Amino acid sequence: NAGVTQTPKFRVLKTGQSMTLLCAQDMNHEYMYWYRQDPGMGLRLIHYSVGEGTTAKGEVPDGYNVSRLKKQNFLLGLESAAPSQTSVYFCASSYSGQGAGDEQFFGPGTRLTVL
Amino acid sequence: QQQVKQSPQSLIVQKGGISIINCAYENTAFDYFPWYQQFPGKGPALLIAIRPDVSEKKEGRFTISFNKSAKQFSLHIMDSQPGDSATYFCAASMEAAGNKLTFGGGTRVLVKP
Repeated sequence: NAGVTQTPKFRVLKTGQSMTLLCAQDMNHEYMYWYRQDPGMGLRLIHYSVGEGTTAKGEVPDGYNVSRLKKQNFLLGLESAAPSQTSVYFCASSYSGQGAGDEQFFGPGTRLTVL
Repeated sequence: QQQVKQSPQSLIVQKGGISIINCAYENTAFDYFPWYQQFPGKGPALLIAIRPDVSEKKEGRFTISFNKSAKQFSLHIMDSQPGDSATYFCAASMEAAGNKLTFGGGTRVLVKP
């Protein structure tokens, strides 16, 4: 099992450009999440999905869109990148999100720089 | 508003020493408190977790202490090893909110040989 994979690993964008980050999981998990990690701020939830075809906003959703057309994939889009979106982005998945405490499995991250 | 506050931001400990990281939370509805370990260039991975109905949980050299009345919990790393050098994140979630994790700011631990 590959677990949670993310592409690309690195990307440099110019302000105003768009891009899509792809997350894939092979664990048949229902729940998927996108986080951003910034120094001193831990990980903050951007958007999440509780199943195929569903999405919901997290703590810092502005400037991002997501789609979950297939259960195993969760896409994060930046329509018009801004320097404030320079960050490391992590995708995670969990089995169901039901019951107190459902382990989230994280991907290796995508380092994005917006110039 | 940061709902989970973590301290210190960094710490250095000698091999064999004890590393202690503290977290405080505000929302009493949180019902699950995991700790994640992250090595450079990798994603976080679950290290150990506790629920509020117990005051302590131990797994090997790692122990969580939980104080419900003070709304605080801490991670103790006993007999710290150089391989424990990593960034540690505390987090909290509640079943009623779909188990979405709220993370602390992280603690970078360096264990000197």
